[in-house]
Amino acid sequence: EIVLTQSPATLSLSPGERATLSCRASQSVSSYLAWYQQKPGQAPRLLIYDASNRATGIPARFSGSGSGTDFTLTISSLEPEDFAVYYCQQRSNWPTFGQGTKLEIK
Amino acid sequence: EVQLVESGGGLVQPGGSLRLSCAASGFTFSSYWMSWVRQAPGKGLEWVANIKQDGSEKYYVDSVKGRFTISRDNAKNSLYLQMNSLRAEDTAVYYCARDLRSWLFDYWGQGTLVTVSS
Repeated sequence: EIVLTQSPATLSLSPGERATLSCRASQSVSSYLAWYQQKPGQAPRLLIYDASNRATGIPARFSGSGSGTDFTLTISSLEPEDFAVYYCQQRSNWPTFGQGTKLEIK
Repeated sequence: EVQLVESGGGLVQPGGSLRLSCAASGFTFSSYWMSWVRQAPGKGLEWVANIKQDGSEKYYVDSVKGRFTISRDNAKNSLYLQMNSLRAEDTAVYYCARDLRSWLFDYWGQGTLVTVSS
């Protein structure tokens, strides 16, 4: 099983600031890494797939980078609606998710 | 508009059974793999099972093998998860998700809560 470790567990920032979230895989997943956003009481929403491709309808302030074992989700300028929990997921092998990073308002 | 609507969750005793359903609309259901993903209360996400377009291939996470069965009815645009021998650790919100390609989940339902407790 490929283990995904996300950091930090919690990130406290203000609207307008830049957010950088990390995801590290226990072995290479090539570029088969996705990012999801989940708000309380809602289903996850696909943001980024294959490391750097934005899903349909996702604003340009969301970007992804990385390959192999180290990946980053960047939100260039936080909007109030961006405060949520973010999960990474690999699909190189049987799918697994990271434990999540909670992005909270400072 | 793609819609996935789960139903069938509830409270069940350990060792009991439950059948979840997911009604799909807004896309050609028979053209996609489909998955179930669960989330224990306050925890992260765990892929549970998936099924090929025609139902000929099914895969499961180790923890549910032999207990859960995924199935689909393309004529009814519906996905199912039969859950037997339920355990406390199966307590979770269960989401059905469209599998765009090889475990890339592009649409999710709102989820249905399964609680296993005596």
